[in-house]
Amino acid sequence: GAVVSQHPSWVICKSGTSVKIECRSLDFQATTMFWYRQFPKQSLMLMATSNEGSKATYEQGVEKDKFLINHASLTLSTLTVTSAHPEDSSFYICSAILAGGPDTQYFGPGTRLTVL
Amino acid sequence: GENVEQHPSTLSVQEGDSAVIKCTYSDSASNYFPWYKQELGKRPQLIIDIRSNVGEKKDQRIAVTLNKTAKHFSLHITETQPEDSAVYFCAANLRAGSYQLTFGKGTKLSVIP
Repeated sequence: GAVVSQHPSWVICKSGTSVKIECRSLDFQATTMFWYRQFPKQSLMLMATSNEGSKATYEQGVEKDKFLINHASLTLSTLTVTSAHPEDSSFYICSAILAGGPDTQYFGPGTRLTVL
Repeated sequence: GENVEQHPSTLSVQEGDSAVIKCTYSDSASNYFPWYKQELGKRPQLIIDIRSNVGEKKDQRIAVTLNKTAKHFSLHITETQPEDSAVYFCAANLRAGSYQLTFGKGTKLSVIP
């Protein structure tokens, strides 16, 4: 149980284009999901907290207009990287917490974004 | 905000030996401390966690200890195996009841056959 999926697993795009990444909880409902960014050989950096039906809370230094987050249902959150640039290339990982459950975060498999 | 320091950054052990990774946290209000294992290019997987109402927790070859007074917690892996080789991250929640985690910088563990 507690499986989280992400789509796509990898994406290559041109500079200036937008990319949407989906995060789904497959066998549970998640009122809260998190989006992380991980650069090579570095730790996970929390970008934002996504709550179903409300606006996301962004961490300091993360541009909310550049990283659009939508959490329209209890099983789906999306991250859209708008006007992507090479410095946005990274590994984006989401996690989810069971609605009404303990605070254990279950992670998705990640999305490797490469911006040319 | 919460700050989590993790040491060492790299650790090599012989197969069968024990490995210990240590973390310290800054916010005394934190009460949840998970450990994740991440293999190259894959998702972090929870291997064990501990809450501030206990001082130690064990699951087969893996144990975690927590010293609330000193604000540090440690991961202990006994009888290491080559498949234990990975990057291990400790984390702490921002404050009691918060779901948000701050991660340590990670420890790359190599188990030499």
